[in-house]
Parts: sequence; C-alpha cells; structure tokens
Amino acid sequence: ETGVTQTPRHLVMGMTNKKSLKCEQHLGHNAMYWYKQSAKKPLELMFVYSLEERVENNSVPSRFSPECPNSSHLFLHLHTLQPEDSALYLCASSQELGSLSGANVLTFGAGSRLTVL
Amino acid sequence: AQSVAQPEDQVNVAEGNPLTVKCTYSVSGNPYLFWYVQYPNRGLQFLLKYITGDNLVKGSYGFEAEFNKSQTSFHLKKPSALVSDSALYFCAVRDKGNTPLVFGKGTRLSVIA
Repeated sequence: ETGVTQTPRHLVMGMTNKKSLKCEQHLGHNAMYWYKQSAKKPLELMFVYSLEERVENNSVPSRFSPECPNSSHLFLHLHTLQPEDSALYLCASSQELGSLSGANVLTFGAGSRLTVL
Repeated sequence: AQSVAQPEDQVNVAEGNPLTVKCTYSVSGNPYLFWYVQYPNRGLQFLLKYITGDNLVKGSYGFEAEFNKSQTSFHLKKPSALVSDSALYFCAVRDKGNTPLVFGKGTRLSVIA
C-alpha cells in the first residue's frame, strides 16, 4: 500500500451514465492530482489541487468534473463520457505543490480502470 | 514549455546484463528530473530524482541515472538486470518548483531469463 487509495479499481459505464472515482490519501499531503494514462501516450495531467483549491485544469472536457472536499479526498465525477475516455485514471499526492527545490515526489494510487461502452 | 521524450517503446535485455532506458528532456531553466516505475496493475512508484549536485544519481532497487546537461539526457541504468525489473518506466521533468511534472510515454522493459 502506498498510502493513496483509489476506488473503484475497475468501472464499466455506458455513455449516458454518471459515476464517480474516489481517491483518499493518508499521508498528510497538501497537493492532489488526477492523471489519465492511455497506452503508448504520455501521462496526461488533468487536474491539480493544492490545499483544496484547484490550481490547474489542463483543458479537460467538462464531462470530467473534479471535487476536493478536503486535503485527504479527491473525486472525479464522470458524466456522458465517450469511448475514447476509456483509460486508467491515476490519483497522486505530494507533500506540497511546489518547493524551492522542486523536489516533490508524487505518491500514486493503483488507479481506476475505466471502460466506456 | 517543458517536455520529455522516451525514444523506445520497448527494451529487451537478458537477465544479468546491464540495462539502459533512455530519456531526453527540454526545459527553459534548470531541470528537475525523475524516474518512476509501474508494475502491472499498480500505480507509479518513485525510483530516483536529480535536483542538483552529482550527475550520477542512485535510487531504489539498484537503479541509477546520469544527468548529462550537454546532451539534455537522463538515462536510467542498472549494471545487472533482474527478471523482476520487468515493468513500465516513466521519465518526468519539471523546470520550476510550482509546475507539475511532465511525464514521457513510458518504456516497457522486459528482462528475459
């Protein structure tokens, strides 16, 4: 266990469904991230939260809606997704967003494998 | 904008042989460089990082990486590969403290017994 827990591990949904991915970290970190991992493509940063405030939104379609109710929890709400949204969604946390050395190490969860039919 | 390239999708190496996984980067200032590894059905795990100082960085599981500023490279190496090293390896870079990491597309390492 890395200290970052993602649920569910697997999710199959239709294009008209609404579902949510959950991430919880027990590390006392202040920054949390959502990444999308597709085969043979670079990891895509989707959202960044620092102290529960969204600080980065990388042109992600509005059918993905993040929520960070506190520094330990991060959600990704999904609605009217497309088949090309099928991927592994990774949550990560770090002690802080930035530091003078830029040396923050990300701790990742195991991911939620999403399949959109 | 910062970017990282991993030119090889797949690297195959025999067990006991040395391995190298290549990474080149592009940043506007001084780079902060990282390697992560992903085992099947797991998230990414931190291996090592270069921030400043000695160009040869040692990390977990016997891995090391050499920072080469003139070639803008940060190749991952291990003197003797193990079958258990088979995994997906990601190089990542950031150029300033507050910018999130930018990852490469990953290189799949296969170590054959």
